Amino acid sequence: GDSVTQMEGPVTLSEEAFLTINCTYTATGYPSLFWYVQYPGEGLQLLLKATKADDKGSNKGFEATYRKETTSFHLEKGSVQVSDSAVYFCALSDVGGGYQKVTFGTGTKLQVIP
Amino acid sequence: DAMVIQNPRYQVTQFGKPVTLSCSQTLNHNVMYWYQQKSSQAPKLLFHYYDKDFNNEADTPDNFQSRRPNTSFCFLDIRSPGLGDAAMYLCATSSPSGAQPQHFGDGTRLSIL
Repeated sequence: GDSVTQMEGPVTLSEEAFLTINCTYTATGYPSLFWYVQYPGEGLQLLLKATKADDKGSNKGFEATYRKETTSFHLEKGSVQVSDSAVYFCALSDVGGGYQKVTFGTGTKLQVIP
Repeated sequence: DAMVIQNPRYQVTQFGKPVTLSCSQTLNHNVMYWYQQKSSQAPKLLFHYYDKDFNNEADTPDNFQSRRPNTSFCFLDIRSPGLGDAAMYLCATSSPSGAQPQHFGDGTRLSIL
């Protein structure tokens, strides 16, 4: 079946540091890929998405590129802020039986210190 | 703004006392999902509705039921909550297309006394 593997957290960075959170996937079809962010006490919010190979998703300074050859979708940001502290989930979505089957990674907690 | 709204944000119930969580959407999406999320874990899908069609995940306990009276509303019923059911419950909606993201509510945090 489909699976998503994320780097273990927590990740602690100083403000303005460069961020990479690794994500790799296995899937039988051609899934769409997403990064969701969850702030404390809240639901998941879509951060960015990519729907086909070589697509780059970007939002709020975060970027990720759908790499089919390495089955990866790594999240990057050039300069993190304290307000980026949250849990980040990599996910893939495939359509089966008329609904989205979403497979989530285990989440990576990011803490940014001033 | 179109959105997914969950009520209440926090729910406390007693061991074994039935509880209902609610979710409403203004996105007019066909599909609604209920997830259970325990601390520091990924959301776990309990079930989903595609319009009126209900689909249970194989490992969802019988204790969990759901109702969808119309397109906009969906309810999660826990018939006899145990201590292990304390968690965040997330409602999400989507169109059937795999290319579109799921839209999540802010969740209901359920505590069991």
